[in-house]
Amino acid sequence: KAGVTQTPRYLIKTRGQQVTLSCSPISGHRSVSWYQQTPGQGLQFLFEYFSETQRNKGNFPGRFSGRQFSNSRSEMNVSTLELGDSALYLCASSLDGEQFFGPGTRLTVL
Amino acid sequence: QKEVEQNSGPLSVPEGAIASLNCTYSDRGSQSFFWYRQYSGKSPELIMSIYSNGDKEDGRFTAQLNKASQYVSLLIRDSQPSDSATYLCAVAKAAGNKLTFGGGTRVLVKP
Repeated sequence: KAGVTQTPRYLIKTRGQQVTLSCSPISGHRSVSWYQQTPGQGLQFLFEYFSETQRNKGNFPGRFSGRQFSNSRSEMNVSTLELGDSALYLCASSLDGEQFFGPGTRLTVL
Repeated sequence: QKEVEQNSGPLSVPEGAIASLNCTYSDRGSQSFFWYRQYSGKSPELIMSIYSNGDKEDGRFTAQLNKASQYVSLLIRDSQPSDSATYLCAVAKAAGNKLTFGGGTRVLVKP
């Protein structure tokens, strides 16, 4: 069974731009969660989607948003990028509580 | 106080020895507990999940949970150089899949 896939793997943007990241969960998994990982803050929860509905949300500003499609694929969007948004963005899919991570998207904001 | 706390390490262990990693959490409502391994430059990989008090063994790994003490640990037996990585403790409440992570413990297994 294929794992979680994320695209793109690497991204370079400049301040003020916006970015969209994509995640395809493991087949049959309906829950998709997004996390941000930085050296200073570690792994932090952004939000979770289940059956196209946001079920949980972390403590991030409204510039961070997401959505989930009927096939469980999910996207997250960051608007008005700031230097501090440079991070590894990880997507995780879940069937019964155990979360499996994708390879991540490394975002660099210049 | 951080919600999930781990010693950052590095924890240096000789090859073949037992590595013991600890994690404490502050929210008594936490119901699910996970250990992830993360190699440098890679994403976290789930190695153990535990939901009830006691021990759970899977190969060379044993997870231990004590909800009364709000403590979860991971033992790695017969440590190998390939076990050198950062080990992340994560906890979740019953509802939803919001994982709260500790800062991770870096483990170095020396041949």
